[in-house]
Amino acid sequence: EDQVTQSPEALRLQEGESSSLNCSYTVSGLRGLFWYRQDPGKGPEFLFTLYSAGEEKEKERLKATLTKKESFLHITAPKPEDSATYLCAVQAGQAGTALIFGKGTTLSVSS
Amino acid sequence: EADIYQTPRYLVIGTGKKITLECSQTMGHDKMYWYQQDPGMELHLIHYSYGVNSTEKGDLSSESTVSRIRTEHFPLTLESARPSHTSQYLCASSGGGGSSPLHFGNGTRLTVT
Repeated sequence: EDQVTQSPEALRLQEGESSSLNCSYTVSGLRGLFWYRQDPGKGPEFLFTLYSAGEEKEKERLKATLTKKESFLHITAPKPEDSATYLCAVQAGQAGTALIFGKGTTLSVSS
Repeated sequence: EADIYQTPRYLVIGTGKKITLECSQTMGHDKMYWYQQDPGMELHLIHYSYGVNSTEKGDLSSESTVSRIRTEHFPLTLESARPSHTSQYLCASSGGGGSSPLHFGNGTRLTVT
């Protein structure tokens, strides 16, 4: 059964304190791994897509990496505005198949 | 900001009422999806559509129904709401081939009393 597990469930950081979020996945035939940011009361906002092991993508203070079993979202020198829930999702099987989501990591950054 | 709109944003109704949650997108995307999200839980797919007149049920059992008469419109209907339907409902769309990302609306928070 395809599965996505995110850890930790919650993470509290001081402003400027770098850290990483983990997304472990078990799927047959990975087509893509997606990272989303979700703010309270809003829908998920797309951040990155990773397609193959070794791939990396960056956006401002965020950097996503992918191996054959997991993905990391590295947050460098976070700011309070980075506080949100970060969701990981995978697409497996045929093109266009709906995404399978993890439960997310809720990040709180204090100044 | 994605051009996908959901109405209403919040809805409180009594048991047994029929409701329709609206979702529209202006991006011309063929694929549209409905997810259900409860606090602290993962998003669960309840319905999806790959084009006009195409609808399928997702992994999560749901008593709701959907229709896709126009590309831009993908409404979800509950014939008789129950307290167990209380949840956040998120609509999404994607375009292009392969692994295109989903673009989400801001959701409808439904409370059935």
